[in-house]
Amino acid sequence: DAGVTQSPTHLIKTRGQQVTLRCSPKSGHDTVSWYQQALGQGPQFIFQYYEEEERQRGNFPDRFSGHQFPNYSSELNVNALLLGDSALYLCASSSRQGDRYGYTFGSGTRLTVV
Amino acid sequence: AQSVTQLGSHVSVSEGALVLLRCNYSSSVPPYLFWYVQYPNQGLQLLLKYTSAATLVKGINGFEAEFKKSETSFHLTKPSAHMSDAAEYFCAVSDTGFQKLVFGTGTRLLVSP
Repeated sequence: DAGVTQSPTHLIKTRGQQVTLRCSPKSGHDTVSWYQQALGQGPQFIFQYYEEEERQRGNFPDRFSGHQFPNYSSELNVNALLLGDSALYLCASSSRQGDRYGYTFGSGTRLTVV
Repeated sequence: AQSVTQLGSHVSVSEGALVLLRCNYSSSVPPYLFWYVQYPNQGLQLLLKYTSAATLVKGINGFEAEFKKSETSFHLTKPSAHMSDAAEYFCAVSDTGFQKLVFGTGTRLLVSP
């Protein structure tokens, strides 16, 4: 049973560029959340998608946007990249009651902005 | 607002010794609490969770945690450390009905032979 799959695993971008990260949730999960983990920090919630809509959003600027597809997979887009966007981006999937049953995380995409 | 405090950014133990990683939470409603482990260059793996059932929760790899409402704590323990337990550990809280996790800053567990 495949868990959460994220691609790519590593990415290097230049300041000002745009990036798209992808996530396929665990089989049976319909909710996808994205987190940003800066070096030496705990993950920070970016937003969550359910039924192809953004349901909750953390304290991140509009440069961060996302999308969920009918097959529940999701993309995270970041525009006008800043050096401070360098981080590990984690995707987590769950059923709608993820707060009760827990979230399954992918291995992440390491984004480096130079 | 929810928050989590993990005391000690680094904890060092000898192999076979007791592991104790501390977590205190703040929540205005009954919380759900989680412990996750992160190995180098990997994502997060769920160790255990508290969802208002038994206050003593057993997880994978011999870890357990006890929910103490009076102390607003959810400390993680393991009776005997193994070299393979060396990793970063994160405590997280999620208010019931809210669909996001709020993480602590993590505790790096170092295990020496």
